Amino acid sequence: SYVLTQPPSVSVAPGQTARITCGGNNIGSKSVHWYQQKPGQAPVLVVYDDSDRPSGIPERFSGSNSGNTATLTISRVEAGDEADYYCQVWDSSSVVFGGGTKLTVL
Amino acid sequence: EVQLVESGGGLVKPGRSLRLSCTASGFTFGDYAMSWFRQAPGKGLEWVGFIRSKAYGGTTEYAASVKGRFTISRDDSKSIAYLQMNSLKTEDTAVYYCTRGDYYFQHWGQGTLVTVSS
Repeated sequence: SYVLTQPPSVSVAPGQTARITCGGNNIGSKSVHWYQQKPGQAPVLVVYDDSDRPSGIPERFSGSNSGNTATLTISRVEAGDEADYYCQVWDSSSVVFGGGTKLTVL
Repeated sequence: EVQLVESGGGLVKPGRSLRLSCTASGFTFGDYAMSWFRQAPGKGLEWVGFIRSKAYGGTTEYAASVKGRFTISRDDSKSIAYLQMNSLKTEDTAVYYCTRGDYYFQHWGQGTLVTVSS
C-alpha cells in the first residue's frame, strides 16, 4: 500500500514561513490534499489538488507537489495556525493519509 | 449549508456490534459518495471506507483493518449513511467521522466517540 511520510513536528516563529512536507513514491503524479486539525475539532480542508484553496481559506496557505515530495506552505504564520496538519492522496480505490505534522508557533 | 451529523457512538464490549449513522442535509445526498474516517485517541486520521453513489453502482471500499467486520450502507430517501461495526476490538476505539465525497473531503461531521472496552 502507498505510504505518505510527514515530519512529526515543525516549529516556526510568528510572521515566518512554515513548510510541511509529505513524502511518497512519485507523489508528484498524484493529487495531494491537506487538512488542518485543531484539538477537539474535525479536520478542515486547507488545500486540495496540490495547490487549490477552498473558499474561506486564507491565501497564506499554499501547496506544491513535485517528484517525491509535496509541500504545504503557510506564510506569515499566526498563533491560530498552530494545529496538526495531514496530507492525503487517493491510491488504488483507497484513501491514504500521512501520519500528521504538529505545527508549533513559538 | 452542508451539514453532517454522526450519531450512535458509545461504550461497547469487545466482540459486540454497533451501528453509526450520519445524517446529511444541505445537498442532494444521493449524488455523492459518503466516507467514514476514524481517529484513535492521540493518533492520526485513518480512512475506514466509503460508499459510492447509486450512479456509480453504490459499491463500497474498505481499509484492510476493518474489511470483513465493518459495512457501510446508505439510505438515500433519508439522507443517511451507516457504518455497521461488528466484532469490535479495543483498537477500534476512536472518534468516527463521516464526510461527503471519496476523493478529498471538505465537509466533515463533528464526530462520534466509540469506546470498545470490557
